[in-house]
Amino acid sequence: DIQLTQSPSFLSASVGDRVTITCRASQGINTYLAWYQQKPGGAPRLLIYAASILQSGVPSRFSGSGSGTDFTFTITSLQPEDFATYYCQRLNTYPWAFGQGTKVEVK
Amino acid sequence: EVQLVQSGTEVKKPGESLKISCEASGYSFTTFYIGWVRQMPGKGLDWIGIMYPGHSDIIYSPSFQGQVTMSADKSTRTAYLQWSSLKTSDTAMYYCARRGSDTRGFDIWGRGTMVTVSS
Repeated sequence: DIQLTQSPSFLSASVGDRVTITCRASQGINTYLAWYQQKPGGAPRLLIYAASILQSGVPSRFSGSGSGTDFTFTITSLQPEDFATYYCQRLNTYPWAFGQGTKVEVK
Repeated sequence: EVQLVQSGTEVKKPGESLKISCEASGYSFTTFYIGWVRQMPGKGLDWIGIMYPGHSDIIYSPSFQGQVTMSADKSTRTAYLQWSSLKTSDTAMYYCARRGSDTRGFDIWGRGTMVTVSS
């Protein structure tokens, strides 16, 4: 199976910071990648799919890019409600594996 | 409103059986895949499998094949995840989620069912 490696696992940031998370696939997956946000005690929420398309209702400060094996998720100006854990997920073939997650914490 | 409503918290003993549910509303149940995701305490997301209620097409992750069974009842618009013999290692939050159209991933999620298995 194709593995996903997210980095970093933890990230300390302040409100207003630009935050970048990377997700690397062990083999090429075209743009079959999604990004989710999960807050403590809550279910994951789809933010981005097809590597760069913003899900309806998601603020434009979130963005994604990449194709093949290397992907990037960016929050341009971190807001208080953005402190959460973020996961990438590949969608090319089953099983749809997730990355191990990146926890964005208050600096 | 499109939503998935999951059954409530379960506390079971090792060796017991369990069936948890996920009721869909607000969309055509038989034309979207529904998947299940496990989250063990303090850990990340594990993809269990996915099924198409329209014709019971079911795909399991190799890690979960034989450990759980997915099913669906079209008449009640409900998906199920079941165990025949629980282990303490099955303790986790279990989410159902709808696979969106195109290559959208899981666009709608239930709130999760917490399953605790302890002697």
